[in-house]
Amino acid sequence: NAGVMQNPRHLVRRRGQEARLRCSPVKGHSHVYWYRQLPEEGLKFMVYLQKENIIDESGMPKERFSAEFPKEGPSILRIQQVVRGDSAAYFCASSQQGMDSPLHFGNGTRLTVT
Amino acid sequence: GDSVTQMEGPVTLSEEAFLTINCTYTATGYPSLFWYVQYPGEGLQLLLKATKADDKGSNKGFEATYRKETTSFHLEKGSVQVSDSAVYFCALSDPGGTNAGKSTFGDGTTLTVKP
Repeated sequence: NAGVMQNPRHLVRRRGQEARLRCSPVKGHSHVYWYRQLPEEGLKFMVYLQKENIIDESGMPKERFSAEFPKEGPSILRIQQVVRGDSAAYFCASSQQGMDSPLHFGNGTRLTVT
Repeated sequence: GDSVTQMEGPVTLSEEAFLTINCTYTATGYPSLFWYVQYPGEGLQLLLKATKADDKGSNKGFEATYRKETTSFHLEKGSVQVSDSAVYFCALSDPGGTNAGKSTFGDGTTLTVKP
């Protein structure tokens, strides 16, 4: 059973470029979450998606950041015109429906902006 | 809104010592509670969970009891090993209020176990 797959593991971008982070959830999971982790800090919620719908994007900056979870294919977190402050580890998690369902995390994408 | 407060780290223990990492929460509804563990360079993994008051979650020698009266979910282990060195996150999932469908995490506690 494949877990949550994120790619790339490491991504280096220059300031002003675009970063696209991909996440394939556990097969059968329809809920996807994106979290950001800064060095030596905890996880900060960014966005919660179900297939084709954004359920909660309260943690995502209103500018430059967007997320989608299409009917077919992986979830994508897109960061336009990256700045140094975007450097972080970005984790995707998926779950089945239901509040008792734990999150299954990928190994993250470590974004470095130079 | 929902929140999770964890004991600040880092925590350094000798092998076979007793471990407690405190976690308290604030929630609108009746949350499920979780402990996750993160090893270096990896994502978080579920360690244990409890879904209602007085439930005890346990796994790999770790335990935590859902205490509704004190809104706490402290993590304990009787005898830690070097391999337990990791970052531990307390989290809740709350069906109530505006946070339905997403988990709220504490800031994490780094545990280092020395031989």
